Amino acid sequence: GQQLNQNPQSMFIQEGEDVSMNCTSSSIFNTWLWYKQDPGEGPVLLIALYKAGELTSNGRLTAQFGITRKDSFLNISASIPSDVGIYFCAPLEGGGADGLTFGKGTHLIIQP
Amino acid sequence: DGGITQSPKYLFRKEGQNVTLSCEQNLNHDAMYWYRQDPGQGLRLIYYSQIVNDFQKGDIAEGYSVSREKKESFPLTVTSAQKNPTAFYLCASSKPLGGNYGYTFGSGTRLTVV
Repeated sequence: GQQLNQNPQSMFIQEGEDVSMNCTSSSIFNTWLWYKQDPGEGPVLLIALYKAGELTSNGRLTAQFGITRKDSFLNISASIPSDVGIYFCAPLEGGGADGLTFGKGTHLIIQP
Repeated sequence: DGGITQSPKYLFRKEGQNVTLSCEQNLNHDAMYWYRQDPGQGLRLIYYSQIVNDFQKGDIAEGYSVSREKKESFPLTVTSAQKNPTAFYLCASSKPLGGNYGYTFGSGTRLTVV
Protein backbone atom coordinates (compact mmCIF):
# COMPACT_ATOMS: atom_id res chain seq x y z
CA GLY A 1 0.00 0.00 0.00
CA GLN A 2 0.99 3.61 -0.32
CA GLN A 3 3.04 5.30 2.38
CA LEU A 4 2.22 8.90 3.22
CA ASN A 5 4.62 10.87 5.38
CA GLN A 6 3.84 14.33 6.70
CA ASN A 7 6.54 16.44 8.33
CA PRO A 8 7.13 17.89 10.75
CA GLN A 9 4.75 16.32 13.27
CA SER A 10 4.69 19.51 15.32
CA MET A 11 6.09 23.02 15.16
CA PHE A 12 6.60 25.55 17.95
CA ILE A 13 7.14 28.98 16.44
CA GLN A 14 6.98 32.64 17.33
CA GLU A 15 4.21 34.83 15.98
CA GLY A 16 5.32 36.44 12.73
CA GLU A 17 7.55 33.57 11.63
CA ASP A 18 7.09 31.70 8.38
CA VAL A 19 6.07 28.03 8.44
CA SER A 20 6.85 25.20 6.05
CA MET A 21 5.51 21.65 6.04
CA ASN A 22 5.43 18.87 3.51
CA CYS A 23 3.98 15.52 2.55
CA THR A 24 5.70 12.79 0.62
CA SER A 25 4.34 9.55 -0.72
CA SER A 26 5.56 6.38 -2.37
CA SER A 27 2.74 6.71 -4.93
CA ILE A 28 1.84 9.17 -7.68
CA PHE A 29 -1.27 11.31 -7.33
CA ASN A 30 -3.23 13.68 -9.54
CA THR A 31 -4.58 15.91 -6.76
CA TRP A 32 -3.23 17.18 -3.46
CA LEU A 33 -5.50 18.75 -0.85
CA TRP A 34 -4.49 20.66 2.27
CA TYR A 35 -6.84 20.93 5.25
CA LYS A 36 -6.68 22.79 8.56
CA GLN A 37 -8.34 21.59 11.75
CA ASP A 38 -9.04 23.99 14.60
CA PRO A 39 -9.15 22.44 18.09
CA GLY A 40 -12.38 20.49 18.62
CA GLU A 41 -13.64 21.08 15.09
CA GLY A 42 -13.67 19.30 11.75
CA PRO A 43 -11.01 19.97 9.09
CA VAL A 44 -11.61 22.71 6.56
CA LEU A 45 -10.21 22.70 3.03
CA LEU A 46 -7.51 25.33 2.53
CA ILE A 47 -6.04 24.67 -0.89
CA ALA A 48 -6.52 22.16 -3.70
CA LEU A 49 -3.80 21.40 -6.25
CA TYR A 50 -4.64 19.63 -9.49
CA LYS A 51 -1.49 19.74 -11.65
CA ALA A 52 2.13 18.76 -11.13
CA GLY A 53 4.25 21.85 -10.53
CA GLU A 54 1.21 23.97 -9.67
CA LEU A 55 1.74 26.74 -7.15
CA THR A 56 -1.41 28.11 -5.54
CA SER A 57 -1.93 30.80 -2.92
CA ASN A 58 -4.76 31.51 -0.51
CA GLY A 59 -3.91 34.68 1.41
CA ARG A 60 -0.79 34.00 3.46
CA LEU A 61 -0.86 30.32 2.49
CA THR A 62 1.00 28.95 -0.50
CA ALA A 63 0.97 25.32 -1.57
CA GLN A 64 2.85 23.51 -4.31
CA PHE A 65 2.19 20.23 -6.10
CA GLY A 66 5.58 18.55 -6.50
CA ILE A 67 6.83 17.95 -10.01
CA THR A 68 7.22 14.21 -9.35
CA ARG A 69 3.52 14.08 -8.26
CA LYS A 70 4.66 12.28 -5.10
CA ASP A 71 4.88 15.27 -2.81
CA SER A 72 3.37 18.59 -1.82
CA PHE A 73 4.39 21.56 0.30
CA LEU A 74 2.47 24.11 2.33
CA ASN A 75 3.94 27.41 3.47
CA ILE A 76 2.40 29.97 5.80
CA SER A 77 3.92 33.43 5.85
CA ALA A 78 3.94 35.81 8.82
CA SER A 79 2.08 33.47 11.18
CA ILE A 80 -0.64 34.84 13.45
CA PRO A 81 -2.32 33.26 16.51
CA SER A 82 -5.34 31.99 14.54
CA ASP A 83 -3.00 29.82 12.44
CA VAL A 84 -2.80 27.44 15.41
CA GLY A 85 -4.20 24.03 14.61
CA ILE A 86 -3.44 20.80 12.82
CA TYR A 87 -2.68 20.84 9.11
CA PHE A 88 -3.35 17.73 7.04
CA CYS A 89 -2.41 16.78 3.53
CA ALA A 90 -4.67 14.45 1.55
CA PRO A 91 -3.59 13.20 -1.88
CA LEU A 92 -6.01 11.77 -4.43
CA GLU A 93 -5.62 9.45 -7.38
CA GLY A 94 -9.14 9.59 -8.71
CA GLY A 95 -12.18 11.54 -7.58
CA GLY A 96 -11.87 10.46 -3.98
CA ALA A 97 -15.25 8.76 -3.89
CA ASP A 98 -13.81 5.83 -1.91
CA GLY A 99 -12.34 7.97 0.85
CA LEU A 100 -9.42 10.34 1.30
CA THR A 101 -6.23 9.16 2.96
CA PHE A 102 -4.87 11.83 5.27
CA GLY A 103 -1.36 12.45 6.49
CA LYS A 104 -0.90 12.26 10.27
CA GLY A 105 -0.90 16.03 10.48
CA THR A 106 1.40 18.88 11.44
CA HIS A 107 0.47 20.43 14.76
CA LEU A 108 1.27 24.15 14.68
CA ILE A 109 1.71 25.94 17.99
CA ILE A 110 2.43 29.67 18.07
CA GLN A 111 4.06 31.35 21.01
CA PRO A 112 3.17 35.02 21.41
CA ASP B 1 -26.95 27.78 4.56
CA GLY B 2 -25.95 24.27 3.55
CA GLY B 3 -23.79 22.22 5.82
CA ILE B 4 -23.14 18.98 7.61
CA THR B 5 -24.32 18.50 11.18
CA GLN B 6 -23.06 15.99 13.70
CA SER B 7 -24.76 15.35 16.99
CA PRO B 8 -24.21 15.18 19.85
CA LYS B 9 -20.95 17.11 20.29
CA TYR B 10 -20.00 15.06 23.37
CA LEU B 11 -21.16 11.55 24.19
CA PHE B 12 -20.47 9.31 27.14
CA ARG B 13 -21.05 5.59 26.99
CA LYS B 14 -20.75 2.77 29.44
CA GLU B 15 -18.70 -0.23 28.44
CA GLY B 16 -20.79 -2.87 26.70
CA GLN B 17 -23.35 -0.44 25.30
CA ASN B 18 -23.99 0.40 21.68
CA VAL B 19 -24.23 4.07 20.75
CA THR B 20 -25.28 5.82 17.55
CA LEU B 21 -23.72 9.03 16.24
CA SER B 22 -25.80 11.20 13.96
CA CYS B 23 -24.64 12.84 10.72
CA GLU B 24 -26.95 14.89 8.49
CA GLN B 25 -26.09 16.97 5.42
CA ASN B 26 -28.17 19.32 3.27
CA LEU B 27 -25.50 19.90 0.63
CA ASN B 28 -27.05 17.41 -1.81
CA HIS B 29 -23.78 15.48 -1.70
CA ASP B 30 -23.79 11.92 -2.97
CA ALA B 31 -21.01 10.47 -0.85
CA MET B 32 -20.66 10.40 2.92
CA TYR B 33 -17.83 9.20 5.16
CA TRP B 34 -16.98 8.44 8.76
CA TYR B 35 -13.50 9.00 10.13
CA ARG B 36 -12.00 8.34 13.52
CA GLN B 37 -9.31 10.61 14.94
CA ASP B 38 -6.92 9.67 17.74
CA PRO B 39 -4.03 11.84 18.96
CA GLY B 40 -1.02 11.40 16.68
CA GLN B 41 -2.92 9.06 14.34
CA GLY B 42 -4.46 11.47 11.89
CA LEU B 43 -7.83 10.57 10.40
CA ARG B 44 -8.67 6.94 9.67
CA LEU B 45 -11.58 5.89 7.47
CA ILE B 46 -14.26 3.73 9.12
CA TYR B 47 -17.05 3.46 6.53
CA TYR B 48 -18.17 5.30 3.44
CA SER B 49 -21.23 5.42 1.22
CA GLN B 50 -21.33 6.62 -2.37
CA ILE B 51 -25.06 6.16 -2.83
CA VAL B 52 -28.23 5.49 -0.85
CA ASN B 53 -28.62 1.91 0.40
CA ASP B 54 -24.97 1.10 -0.29
CA PHE B 55 -21.87 1.45 1.86
CA GLN B 56 -18.32 0.12 2.00
CA LYS B 57 -15.89 -0.72 4.80
CA GLY B 58 -12.94 1.55 5.29
CA ASP B 59 -9.63 0.78 6.94
CA ILE B 60 -10.93 0.28 10.50
CA ALA B 61 -14.55 -0.93 10.17
CA GLU B 62 -14.43 -3.64 12.86
CA GLY B 63 -16.79 -2.87 15.74
CA TYR B 64 -18.77 -0.28 13.78
CA SER B 65 -21.92 -0.36 11.64
CA VAL B 66 -23.65 2.17 9.40
CA SER B 67 -26.80 2.64 7.34
CA ARG B 68 -27.66 4.91 4.43
CA GLU B 69 -31.44 4.93 4.06
CA LYS B 70 -31.58 8.56 2.98
CA LYS B 71 -29.18 10.66 0.94
CA GLU B 72 -29.00 13.23 3.74
CA SER B 73 -28.23 10.88 6.61
CA PHE B 74 -25.38 8.48 7.47
CA PRO B 75 -25.54 7.39 11.12
CA LEU B 76 -22.66 5.47 12.70
CA THR B 77 -23.22 2.88 15.44
CA VAL B 78 -20.31 2.10 17.72
CA THR B 79 -20.99 -1.40 18.97
CA SER B 80 -19.80 -3.16 22.10
CA ALA B 81 -17.44 -5.13 19.85
CA GLN B 82 -15.28 -2.01 19.34
CA LYS B 83 -12.48 -2.54 21.85
CA ASN B 84 -11.25 1.02 22.12
CA PRO B 85 -14.11 3.36 21.15
CA THR B 86 -12.96 6.52 22.94
CA ALA B 87 -12.06 8.92 20.12
CA PHE B 88 -13.11 11.95 18.11
CA TYR B 89 -15.46 10.96 15.26
CA LEU B 90 -15.77 13.03 12.12
CA CYS B 91 -18.40 12.77 9.42
CA ALA B 92 -17.78 14.18 5.93
CA SER B 93 -19.60 14.45 2.64
CA SER B 94 -18.57 15.09 -0.93
CA LYS B 95 -19.93 15.33 -4.43
CA PRO B 96 -17.07 13.43 -6.07
CA LEU B 97 -18.16 14.00 -9.64
CA GLY B 98 -18.07 17.38 -11.28
CA GLY B 99 -14.62 18.63 -10.32
CA ASN B 100 -15.07 19.47 -6.67
CA TYR B 101 -12.87 17.03 -4.80
CA GLY B 102 -13.10 18.68 -1.43
CA TYR B 103 -14.74 16.98 1.49
CA THR B 104 -16.96 19.00 3.83
CA PHE B 105 -16.59 17.91 7.43
CA GLY B 106 -18.93 18.18 10.38
CA SER B 107 -17.75 19.54 13.73
CA GLY B 108 -17.24 16.09 15.19
CA THR B 109 -18.51 14.01 18.10
CA ARG B 110 -16.20 13.22 20.99
CA LEU B 111 -17.08 9.79 22.38
CA THR B 112 -15.82 8.77 25.79
CA VAL B 113 -16.32 5.33 27.29
CA VAL B 114 -16.71 5.44 31.07
